[in-house]
Amino acid sequence: NAGVTQTPKFRILKIGQSMTLQCTQDMNHNYMYWYRQDPGMGLKLIYYSVGAGITDKGEVPNGYNVSRSTTEDFPLRLELAAPSQTSVYFCASSYSIGPNRGADGYTFGSGTRLTVV
Amino acid sequence: QKEVEQDPGPLSVPEGAIVSLNCTYSNSAFQYFMWYRQYSRKGPELLMYTYSSGNKEDGRFTAQVDKSSKYISLFIRDSQPSDSATYLCARVNQAGTALIFGKGTTLSVSS
Repeated sequence: NAGVTQTPKFRILKIGQSMTLQCTQDMNHNYMYWYRQDPGMGLKLIYYSVGAGITDKGEVPNGYNVSRSTTEDFPLRLELAAPSQTSVYFCASSYSIGPNRGADGYTFGSGTRLTVV
Repeated sequence: QKEVEQDPGPLSVPEGAIVSLNCTYSNSAFQYFMWYRQYSRKGPELLMYTYSSGNKEDGRFTAQVDKSSKYISLFIRDSQPSDSATYLCARVNQAGTALIFGKGTTLSVSS
């Protein structure tokens, strides 16, 4: 049982380049999320999905795009990379959120460290 | 809509100390909170969750919600060097679809 797998683990991009951060989960979770974590700033929600074909913006969606064609995969696309997108990106998945639906919480991936220079 | 504030620390304690980690929230409608632990260069992992007010205990860890003061606390008894990590509190967003995290408190336990 691999859980949540993120690739790549590290990446250096030049300003203006684009890339896709991959995220795959094998737990048949409906909910999937992308967060970014900057030093001292906690985790900020970029996008999330409550099921295949359904995505929604989080707190900081500008400069990013997502798609959810399958239950397992939730890639994050960066177009025209900027230095402000230098961060650690975490993908997470969950069976449910909140006390009315159970209390699984999130399973996080190990993160992708991205530097834009 | 962050509305969960957390002192980033860092907090340094000797082994065996009792640690108190705190978050404050502003909206009394929030009733469901979680604590995550994140080791350096790792993804966060769920530690505990609490619903409404009162205490929840799991081994050396106790999570507490005080609705009157809008405080969320995590207590660690007999702290160990292996407890050295960043601790993040989180609440469920209003749509019930995602978690909103505090900034995290970095704890260092020295042997």
